[in-house]
Amino acid sequence: GAVVSQHPSRVICKSGTSVKIECRSLDFQATTMFWYRQFPKKSLMLMATSNEGSKATYEQGVEKDKFLINHASLTLSTLTVTSAHPEDSSFYICSARKLGDYHNEQFFGPGTRLTVL
Amino acid sequence: DAKTTQPTSMDCAEGRAANLPCNHSTISGNEYVYWYRQIHSQGPQYIIHGLKNNETNEMASLIITEDRKSSTLILPHATLRDTAVYYCIVRVDMKTSYDKVIFGPGTSLSVIP
Repeated sequence: GAVVSQHPSRVICKSGTSVKIECRSLDFQATTMFWYRQFPKKSLMLMATSNEGSKATYEQGVEKDKFLINHASLTLSTLTVTSAHPEDSSFYICSARKLGDYHNEQFFGPGTRLTVL
Repeated sequence: DAKTTQPTSMDCAEGRAANLPCNHSTISGNEYVYWYRQIHSQGPQYIIHGLKNNETNEMASLIITEDRKSSTLILPHATLRDTAVYYCIVRVDMKTSYDKVIFGPGTSLSVIP
């Protein structure tokens, strides 16, 4: 149990376009989902925290109008990179916190590699 | 959250035990020690966590010093598939908090044939 999926796993887009990345908890309900980005040879950087049915909380320095997060259900959160530019190319990873779990452990998705040309 | 320090990189011979240290000298009484790892181009994977007692599961053992200022993750028989970046994180017990997992730079472990 506790599987998190991301779609797509890899996406290449042109500069100026928008890209949507989905994060799904497949076999559990998630009260909270988190979005991270990771540059090559760097650690994961938390971008935002998303709670079902409410607005996401963004970390300092993350543009909320650029990285739109929607958490419409207990099993799905989406991250939309708007007007993508080459500097947005990165590995985007989501995680989900299991509803009612004793330790509220976070389970991570496999990541989405975004390349903006 | 308390900060942690880990060596940047380590090597380990295949089949030998890999001992990964972590210092967390400012850890608070209600903070747990968590370990995750990330294999290249994959999402992080939970390994183990503990408060003050040593813990063991099917993946690893966690040894926490009595003063809780440091810990060691032990992979008893490292394989090539254990090559990854290992992250040590200290944080409050998540069942009572909406805390988030903040990653440091971690230790890059290379298991050598």
